[in-house]
Amino acid sequence: GQQVMQIPQYQHVQEGEDFTTYCNSSTTLSNIQWYKQRPGGHPVFLIQLVKSGEVKKQKRLTFQFGEAKKNSSLHITATQTTDVGTYFCAGRSFNTNAGKSTFGDGTTLTVKP
Amino acid sequence: SQTIHQWPATLVQPVGSPLSLECTVEGTSNPNLYWYRQAAGRGLQLLFYSVGIGQISSEVPQNLSASRPQDRQFILSSKKLLLSDSGFYLCAWSESDYNTEAFFGQGTRLTVV
Repeated sequence: GQQVMQIPQYQHVQEGEDFTTYCNSSTTLSNIQWYKQRPGGHPVFLIQLVKSGEVKKQKRLTFQFGEAKKNSSLHITATQTTDVGTYFCAGRSFNTNAGKSTFGDGTTLTVKP
Repeated sequence: SQTIHQWPATLVQPVGSPLSLECTVEGTSNPNLYWYRQAAGRGLQLLFYSVGIGQISSEVPQNLSASRPQDRQFILSSKKLLLSDSGFYLCAWSESDYNTEAFFGQGTRLTVV
């Protein structure tokens, strides 16, 4: 079945440093979504990428979808303590039943003030 | 606007006892519904999803079952809990359209003792 892998599993940074998490799928994806889960909370949708090579930005966050639509990345510039949490990617392959995505295991970000 | 309700927030149950977690969605019709489990420090494992009343797809063999008695109601059950059933259970919904994000409930933290 489809596998979605995320690296690194954990990342500790000093406030102000940049952060990147990578997501790789074993199959070509129709779309990829990114979610953020604060400690003790539930995942909250951040963004969806659909097109090959697509790049989207949300303030200090930059999301990229690979040309082959099998990988994606999330980059945070100048991290802040409010960025703390676990970032998940969720990929949907073309032959997947509508509505079903495979989540990566997430990258947990801690930011030292 | 759409809202999702999931209860209870926390639950401590003895081994061998039954389980019933309920999730309801408001403000939409014919949503896709999902049950996920998240082990401590891990990603989201899809347990069940449903595209309509009475339609349940199971993703992994386990001690749990799901039912959808009404369009916007999704129930996760077990006849006899195991220690390994402990975890953070999340209900989610998405539009029935193919390329839409999932909205998660607040989650239920289940501890089986």
